[in-house]
Amino acid sequence: GAGVSQSPRYKVTKRGQDVALRCDPISGHVSLYWYRQALGQGPEFLTYFNYEAQQDKSGLPNDRFSAERPEGSISTLTIQRTEQRDSAMYRCASSQERWYEQYFGPGTRLTVT
Amino acid sequence: GDSVTQMEGPVTLSEEAFLTINCTYTATGYPSLFWYVQYPGEGLQLLLKATKADDKGSNKGFEATYRKETTSFHLEKGSVQVSDSAVYFCALNEGGSYIPTFGRGTSLIVHP
Repeated sequence: GAGVSQSPRYKVTKRGQDVALRCDPISGHVSLYWYRQALGQGPEFLTYFNYEAQQDKSGLPNDRFSAERPEGSISTLTIQRTEQRDSAMYRCASSQERWYEQYFGPGTRLTVT
Repeated sequence: GDSVTQMEGPVTLSEEAFLTINCTYTATGYPSLFWYVQYPGEGLQLLLKATKADDKGSNKGFEATYRKETTSFHLEKGSVQVSDSAVYFCALNEGGSYIPTFGRGTSLIVHP
């Protein structure tokens, strides 16, 4: 497809389980961003990749969160030992030269029970 | 730190009404300002931007002017359509940063 895709769209998991969220950016976009968006709030930055290099991970809340983009295309955000407070919409975005022209995916709604 | 404050929603209007969504910001330097729009079931997309004081961003009939003296970037449209129903996010970034700070979003509902 032409846009950013994310999978799964919805994920329900039990507390303590690990989850992996996938992002497939627009072909040719070198930059990839992960955000977390709580209900009624704007997206909050988590981490950023330029090609395969993770340039900034200052927004990751703690060491249970990690992300990778091994071949500079698809990225995976992994949350280990999930907690209820991790429940949120997780959004991925990609961009080309102009970073602010980010194209966002539809998001993965994560619910931790 | 940087922050963006948007008016509470939802904003409910009739078709062809005039729209204003207020946005004010706090920043240490001279940020660039943006409006993003999120249509139902979709991701956010850039609507317009302004990079310096007194710049006016415009797109699809929407406009916003960068007002440094009032630290504001209000979104306006002269005549809204039902298809404009969406959530609108104001955002900023400081020069040299690629990390935007978003407001909490304002929902717009336009009735026929």
